[in-house]
This record gives sequence, structure tokens and C-alpha cells, in this order.
Amino acid sequence: AQTVTQSQPEMSVQEAETVTLSCTYDTSESDYYLFWYKQPPSRQMILVIRQEAYKQQNATENRFSVNFQKAAKSFSLKISDSQLGDAAMYFCAILNNDMRFGAGTRLTVKP
Amino acid sequence: NAGVTQTPKFRVLKTGQSMTLLCAQDMNHEYMYWYRQDPGMGLRLIHYSVGEGTTAKGEVPDGYNVSRLKKQNFLLGLESAAPSQTSVYFCASSFRDVGYEQYFGPGTRLTVT
Repeated sequence: AQTVTQSQPEMSVQEAETVTLSCTYDTSESDYYLFWYKQPPSRQMILVIRQEAYKQQNATENRFSVNFQKAAKSFSLKISDSQLGDAAMYFCAILNNDMRFGAGTRLTVKP
Repeated sequence: NAGVTQTPKFRVLKTGQSMTLLCAQDMNHEYMYWYRQDPGMGLRLIHYSVGEGTTAKGEVPDGYNVSRLKKQNFLLGLESAAPSQTSVYFCASSFRDVGYEQYFGPGTRLTVT
């Protein structure tokens, strides 16, 4: 079975600074996809970034980037120039035949 | 284009009652999913469907049934609700190939007393 571990239940960052959220996973598959989803207080799940396991190049989306270390089974999310609107729960997930989510990291952004 | 919608948004049930949650999507997605979200545990997959007329079990299927009679709808049923099923339920859909983004509905908060 696939598992996802987010070891930081809560993180905080100063507005305009950079923060990194950690995620490790375990899978016996060689082909899979990794995601970071954001869940603001509205409860809506929003895709932040997506990474294909077969791609060595780290995915980036504007201020969001990942550090994908396949051998170490690590998939961290870096948020640059943090904004107040980035405050939310962040979930890491792995998808092969089914989707498994981590328990989430609550990010607070301080003005 | 409404995306993924869920009905109802809130519901309170007594133990032993039954109910059906409706998920509808207008994006012509083949795959549809039902998740539950409990505090401190992230989302867990209950059942999913890879096409009309097909369903499969996810990580936590016990106590739930699903049906996908139409491509755009995915129903989640609770035949005899239990307090352990108190949760927020999310539906999602995606295009056929594994790895495509899942689009989520707004969630249904269910309380079983």
C-alpha cells in the first residue's frame, strides 16, 4: 500500500519570505504521480502543483516549486514570496491506481 | 460550467438511518471518486469509478455503497449510518488517464448522532 507522511502539522512564515513544506512517501510502484493540494478555510481543494515520477526535472508553478528526490521518496513544496492568501492546509498526495493523501500541514502567514 | 457539485451541503442523520449523497460533474470526466476527510487524517478514498457502470473499492469502503449509472453522476450511499461516519465527504472527477488533475466538489458535512 502507498503511504504519505507530512511530518510538520503546522508551519508559519512571514509575508514575503520563503517556506518549505515536507513530504515523504512510500510506494512499491515505479510509475506514479505526486501532487500538492491547498485547502483554504472555504474547504475547497485546489491543485497547487503536480509532478510525474518519471520526470527528473522539478515542477514549478509561479511562486510554487517542488524538490523531488525519487530515490529518497521525498517531495517537498517551496513557496516563495509568501502571501496572506497562501494561508491554508496543504496536502501532499500520491497517485497510482488510487490516491493517498498525507495528514496535511497548516500554514500560517504572518503580516 | 459548474464543475463538480455535491448535494446536499450539510446533513444530520440519526444512527441507523440511510441516505444518498449525489455528485455531478459537467466536464465529461471518465473517472470519479468519493473521499472522506476527518480531522488530522487528510482525505481517504472510499470508492471510485473509472467509467459509467463501473465501481471499485478504495482505502475505506466498508459501510458505503456507490453507483455510477450515468457518466456525469456518482452516488454514495450509507445504508445504516453510524457515528463513525461523521465526516466531510468530497467528490472528485478527472479525465481518464492516471495522473490527471482531480477536480473536487465543495464537500458535504455529515453528522451522525
